[in-house]
Amino acid sequence: KAGVTQTPRYLIKTRGQQVTLSCSPISGHRSVSWYQQTPGQGLQFLFEYFSETQRNKGNFPGRFSGRQFSNSRSEMNVSTLELGDSALYLCASSVIPGKNTEAFFGQGTRLTVV
Amino acid sequence: SQQGEEDPQALSIQEGENATMNCSYKTSINNLQWYRQNSGRGLVHLILIRSNEREKHSGRLRVTLDTSKKSSSLLITASRAADTASYFCATEYGNKLVFGAGTILRVKS
Repeated sequence: KAGVTQTPRYLIKTRGQQVTLSCSPISGHRSVSWYQQTPGQGLQFLFEYFSETQRNKGNFPGRFSGRQFSNSRSEMNVSTLELGDSALYLCASSVIPGKNTEAFFGQGTRLTVV
Repeated sequence: SQQGEEDPQALSIQEGENATMNCSYKTSINNLQWYRQNSGRGLVHLILIRSNEREKHSGRLRVTLDTSKKSSSLLITASRAADTASYFCATEYGNKLVFGAGTILRVKS
């Protein structure tokens, strides 16, 4: 069974640009969550999608958005990039979150904003 | 903040020794999970303990949970160099995970 796949693995963008990150969950998993990891703030929850609906959103500005497609693949978009958006963005999939099930993480996308 | 705290922040031990990491959290939980992260890569799930469980084992891992103290500990026995990684506890709130700050474990061979 293939794991969670995130693309691209590395990305360098200029301040003010926008970026789209992609996540393909494990087959059969309908929930996809996104997390931002930085040395200063640690792992922070961005949002969660289940069956194409955003069910939960973390405390991030509106520049951070996402969506989920009918095949459960998810994308997140960050517009008007700031230097502080440099981080490792992690995607996790699970069968049904909130039901004592584990989350499976991808390898992450390392975003550098210059 | 719902985010818990972990201690120690960093731990350095010799191969073969045991490593203990602690996690505290702030509100009632359904479960607590431990994850491992190798050098800025993805997180790997280690173990999940439910709120009605007090102790759980998985191979060389032993996790305890004390809901009265809102704390958990992860014990890695007979550590190996390959155990060098960051370890995070996470509590599940609805459909999101809230992670602690993590413990960096270094196992010297």
